[in-house]
Amino acid sequence: AQSVTQLDSQVPVFEEAPVELRCNYSSSVSVYLFWYVQYPNQGLQLLLKYLSGSTLVKGINGFEAEFNKSQTSFHLRKPSVHISDTAEYFCAVSPLGGSYIPTFGRGTSLIVHP
Amino acid sequence: GAGVSQSPSNKVTEKGKDVELRCDPISGHTALYWYRQRLGQGLEFLIYFQGNSAPDKSGLPSDRFSAERTGESVSTLTIQRTQQEDSAVYLCASSLMGGSNTGELFFGEGSRLTVL
Repeated sequence: AQSVTQLDSQVPVFEEAPVELRCNYSSSVSVYLFWYVQYPNQGLQLLLKYLSGSTLVKGINGFEAEFNKSQTSFHLRKPSVHISDTAEYFCAVSPLGGSYIPTFGRGTSLIVHP
Repeated sequence: GAGVSQSPSNKVTEKGKDVELRCDPISGHTALYWYRQRLGQGLEFLIYFQGNSAPDKSGLPSDRFSAERTGESVSTLTIQRTQQEDSAVYLCASSLMGGSNTGELFFGEGSRLTVL
């Protein structure tokens, strides 16, 4: 079984400031790692994913995340946020092989202030 | 269509009534998932369909919940005798399975259910 912990339920930040959204996971098997974003009144869409290879992955809208196997973390970062980045961000893990049922974290609400 | 389509987008019902929620996945996606998102909470897995295999129902919270899928197309989630705690957004997602699968899910916009 897998579990995902997003340590911050809400992260307020000023526009153009850097941001980090934290995600830790636990799993007895190897996993794929994902970050999804949910804008108000919309479904979730993929920001980025880690499958294998380089531990630093880049996604859409200037976001990036780093996989740290020893710390079982997959934190999301952006060097300079915009008002339009205000949204809910979900970290997810999906086991390799088997049923491919992703487990999601509780989400982090990123609130960007002008 | 190009994306996952869900209907209705909003549903208000009275306690005790049955409701049906529909999901039309992306064409060619053999995997289909239902999740529940309660206000201020994360996504709760409900059920998973993969091709013609038996569905994984391990996330269904009670026997009032059931889901069907016709082949590799439309799925219907049914909630019988609705309760107020069933109020949530029900999200459907589909995924391309097979050797190239990377586990990425494509989500619909959800069906918001309010039980009065």
